[in-house]
Amino acid sequence: GAVVSQHPSWVICKSGTSVKIECRSLDFQATTMFWYRQFPKQSLMLMATSNEGSKATYEQGVEKDKFLINHASLTLSTLTVTSAHPEDSSFYICSAGVAGGNNEQFFGPGTRLTVL
Amino acid sequence: GEDVEQSLFLSVREGDSSVINCTYTDSSSTYLYWYKQEPGAGLQLLTYIFSNMDMKQDQRLTVLLNKKDKHLSLRIADTQTGDSAIYFCAESSTGGYNKLIFGAGTRLAVHP
Repeated sequence: GAVVSQHPSWVICKSGTSVKIECRSLDFQATTMFWYRQFPKQSLMLMATSNEGSKATYEQGVEKDKFLINHASLTLSTLTVTSAHPEDSSFYICSAGVAGGNNEQFFGPGTRLTVL
Repeated sequence: GEDVEQSLFLSVREGDSSVINCTYTDSSSTYLYWYKQEPGAGLQLLTYIFSNMDMKQDQRLTVLLNKKDKHLSLRIADTQTGDSAIYFCAESSTGGYNKLIFGAGTRLAVHP
């Protein structure tokens, strides 16, 4: 149980285009979903926290107009990188969780974005 | 603000024990976690410990928590080549659904 999927697993796009990444909780309803960014050989940096049906909370320094997050249901959140540039190339990881218990977050496998 | 620090690299021989250390600054941390990341993959939760515990053992894994020194360690007994990965320590504060603060990760290399 507690499986989180991401789609696509990798994407290559041209500079200036937008890319949408989906994050789904497959066998549970997630109260909250998180989006992280990971640069090579570095830790995960939290970009934003989203709750179903409400606006995402962005971390300091993350442009909300650049990284659009939609959390339309308890099982789906999307991250859209708008007008992507090479510096947006990174590994994007989502996680999902249910409040309470040990606050565990279940992580997706990640999406590698390369912007040419 | 909150900060979590880890050593970046550890090399051990197959069959030996590995000990990965982590320090954190947030005294209100409720849960502390160890995650494993294999190349090109997401994070897998290995184990976690509640802040009122000193130790937790789960098969080959032993977690030790020194709350006074804000020090967390993960010991892997009988380390195998399949244990080669990056190990992240993370902390979570009290209440609701709070964000995780991750360390930079310790790359564990297991050699024959």
